Amino acid sequence: ETGVTQSPTHLIKTRGQQVTLRCSSQSGHNTVSWYQQALGQGPQFIFQYYREEENGRGNFPPRFSGLQFPNYSSELNVNALELDDSALYLCASSRTGNTEAFFGQGTRLTVV
Amino acid sequence: AQTVTQSQPEMSVQEAETVTLSCTYDTSESNYYLFWYKQPPSRQMILVIRQEAYKQQNATENRFSVNFQKAAKSFSLKISDSQLGDTAMYFCAFMKLHTGTASKLTFGTGTRLQVTL
Repeated sequence: ETGVTQSPTHLIKTRGQQVTLRCSSQSGHNTVSWYQQALGQGPQFIFQYYREEENGRGNFPPRFSGLQFPNYSSELNVNALELDDSALYLCASSRTGNTEAFFGQGTRLTVV
Repeated sequence: AQTVTQSQPEMSVQEAETVTLSCTYDTSESNYYLFWYKQPPSRQMILVIRQEAYKQQNATENRFSVNFQKAAKSFSLKISDSQLGDTAMYFCAFMKLHTGTASKLTFGTGTRLQVTL
């Protein structure tokens, strides 16, 4: 059973650019959630995907968008990057009806 | 909306000793789960322990146990026989129960635990 994997591990982008982060969910998991963790803070919920549709969203602007694919992997896209978008982005997968979420090691995004 | 508060930004404990990390939360829900996650320098969040709100019995997992006080909305984590590998950030988290699909986690700001020799 493979765990949750995220790519890339580190990324540096310029303000105004667009970025795509990727997440492969754990085998057998059909739900993927994305979190933003700013330095020294706890993770904040961005959104969740289930059966390829957005299923709940946190307090993030529309320039944060996502996709889920038939194999349950997922992408997080951020347009018009701002300096405050610099953070660790965590992906978590889970199975319907199961409360345990399994996290990847995150993507560290730096916006300069 | 739910909030989770961890009032101890940093704590230190000697190896083999016991330490307790505090967490309080606020919610109007009656059906929910509470979690403690560990985040070592590798950055990956690892589930330490989980408590169902409808269960009065406190959860235990080997050296880790919780003190769940539902009326007081308090959920502390006790680590016994602390080990150097316990050094990490610890996050308390809340999950409201939804039927059908998994739900989101609301995290506190974390407590940095340092285990020393």
